[in-house]
Amino acid sequence: GAVVSQHPSWVICKSGTSVKIECRSLDFQATTMFWYRQFPKQSLMLMATSNEGSKATYEQGVEKDKFLINHASLTLSTLTVTSAHPEDSSFYICSAPPPAGRGLTDSYEQYFGPGTRLTVT
Amino acid sequence: GNSVTQMEGPVTLSEEAFLTINCTYTATGYPSLFWYVQYPGEGLQLLLKATKADDKGSNKGFEATYRKETTSFHLEKGSVQVSDSAVYFCALSDRYGQNFVFGPGTRLSVLP
Repeated sequence: GAVVSQHPSWVICKSGTSVKIECRSLDFQATTMFWYRQFPKQSLMLMATSNEGSKATYEQGVEKDKFLINHASLTLSTLTVTSAHPEDSSFYICSAPPPAGRGLTDSYEQYFGPGTRLTVT
Repeated sequence: GNSVTQMEGPVTLSEEAFLTINCTYTATGYPSLFWYVQYPGEGLQLLLKATKADDKGSNKGFEATYRKETTSFHLEKGSVQVSDSAVYFCALSDRYGQNFVFGPGTRLSVLP
């Protein structure tokens, strides 16, 4: 089945540095990808929608200058947390909808990456 | 806007007990409904889904029926195992796979 990968799976960085997280669709092309943030023992909160070849769409309250999203190809979206601070520590998860023609589009599900745990010290 | 409500956790059961996790939703139109499972330290995996009223999704012994009249999609399993310990998320999307909304999640712990 369709697979979405993320890299790295975990990262520790110092306050003030920037961290880049990659999200790849491994065997299909994704013109749209989604980025979520999950705090401990809480649900996923949609941060932004990543669109290939155009600007990302951010949810209300998400700082676009802090969470830079680049969707440069049909299989790769990146999330860069700029000038990270301890409050940015979280589990970041990306997802992509299945491609047309896969036979799954009638269910409109999402394929999720395994997540990236970011710890800012 | 659309929303999903789940029963509060954590839920602790003994092995082979019956499981029910309630999920209700508020949505316009005809959403698709999902249950996702998240094992410790991992991302989300689709457990089961239903796309229209009265559809029953099932997988690995879990079942949920899309009830439009009660706007519910309760998750059930007849006999849980220790390996079922995880966090379960009820979710919905609109007809075009957009506007994915998750419930708060229910943590299940199954004791041997």
